[in-house]
Amino acid sequence: EADIYQTPRYLVIGTGKKITLECSQTMGHDKMYWYQQDPGMELHLIHYSYGVNSTEKGDLSSESTVSRIRTEHFPLTLESARPSHTSQYLCASSEGVVNNEQFFGPGTRLTVL
Amino acid sequence: SQKIEQNSEALNIQEGKTATLTCNYTNYSPAYLQWYRQDPGRGPVFLLLIRENEKEKRKERLKVTFDTTLKQSLFHITASQPADSATYLCAPSNNAGNMLTFGGGTRLMVKP
Repeated sequence: EADIYQTPRYLVIGTGKKITLECSQTMGHDKMYWYQQDPGMELHLIHYSYGVNSTEKGDLSSESTVSRIRTEHFPLTLESARPSHTSQYLCASSEGVVNNEQFFGPGTRLTVL
Repeated sequence: SQKIEQNSEALNIQEGKTATLTCNYTNYSPAYLQWYRQDPGRGPVFLLLIRENEKEKRKERLKVTFDTTLKQSLFHITASQPADSATYLCAPSNNAGNMLTFGGGTRLMVKP
């Protein structure tokens, strides 16, 4: 079992609320990622980080933002949730070596009413 | 644009048989290709990585091939078991940044 954690596992929230999805890893990995995945669909990279104070947007445009103040922590924030944000959000990390495997967290299932 | 194709239809096989899943890519020259397993409601789990200069890689009952001429990777599970039932994702990468692009996955159902 990988040492990468996400909270909450499930979140149901009303439109307009600000939410933060937490992701932490204890493996000391430099690289961290956020993916969005709808049921039965592909994973889409929405944010990634190469290390502390480094954040980049991924292939899929997202209204969310991320921060990387500590190596082990990579939270994702939605300032104003909308029903279109309803999805599964998966966090992952990998070592700073070329093409190493990615370790995924269990995901957060977000429902915005 | 880059495209990764995996069979979107579920693959149903009988226990004990060999399952073969296909990953095709176009407009792409990956140097590496990874395979992951994903169970419902959970994050993907890494299975195997194969490099462009490797034609075949094995791990226990798993075998992966990588044909850069055909632009295709095949993923085999021999002596399949019901516990192998899951969605299998391929993820090519052609850069040093650890960025992976995932295919849509193929759902495998192994019947006892």
